[in-house]
Amino acid sequence: NAGVTQTPKFQVLKTGQSMTLQCAQDMNHEYMSWYRQDPGMGLRLIHYSVGAGITDQGEVPNGYNVSRSTTEDFPLRLLSAAPSQTSVYFCASSYVRGNTIYFGEGSWLTVV
Amino acid sequence: GQQVMQIPQYQHVQEGEDFTTYCNSSTTLSNIQWYKQRPGGHPVFLIQLVKSGEVKKQKRLTFQFGEAKKNSSLHITATQTTDVGTYFCAEIETSGSRLTFGEGTQLTVNP
Repeated sequence: NAGVTQTPKFQVLKTGQSMTLQCAQDMNHEYMSWYRQDPGMGLRLIHYSVGAGITDQGEVPNGYNVSRSTTEDFPLRLLSAAPSQTSVYFCASSYVRGNTIYFGEGSWLTVV
Repeated sequence: GQQVMQIPQYQHVQEGEDFTTYCNSSTTLSNIQWYKQRPGGHPVFLIQLVKSGEVKKQKRLTFQFGEAKKNSSLHITATQTTDVGTYFCAEIETSGSRLTFGEGTQLTVNP
């Protein structure tokens, strides 16, 4: 049982480049979400999805796009990377209705 | 949306001392979850509290939910070096779709 798998683990981008952070879960969870974590600021919700075909914005959605074509996958796209997007990104999943949330191991992104 | 404030931001203790972190909200919380994140790691679910006044224990960890459901605490008795990490509280919106995290308390334990 792999749980929540994120790739890549580390990435360096140049300003203006685009990229996609991949997230997959094998637990048949309906709810998936993306967080970013910056020093001293805890975890902030970027986008979330309550099921295939349904996505919604979180607290800090600007500069990011998501899609949910399958239950298993929830990729996060950076459209035009900016230094302010340097952060650690976590994907998470759970059954809807407040069950235990499982986090991926994180993706460390640096934008130069 | 809901905001949960967590204090203290940092706590340094000697091994064997107790540790407490507090989570406060100006509005009634539907429920509260606690997570632990080791340095360089990812958040790991510890527990969920739902009922007013609820108290749950996990070995040396005691979790409480306030009677008014506006605050919660995590208490660690006799800290060990394995307790090092950041402890987060988080509130799930009533719809069950969004999780809002406190800023976390970073615990360091001196051996």
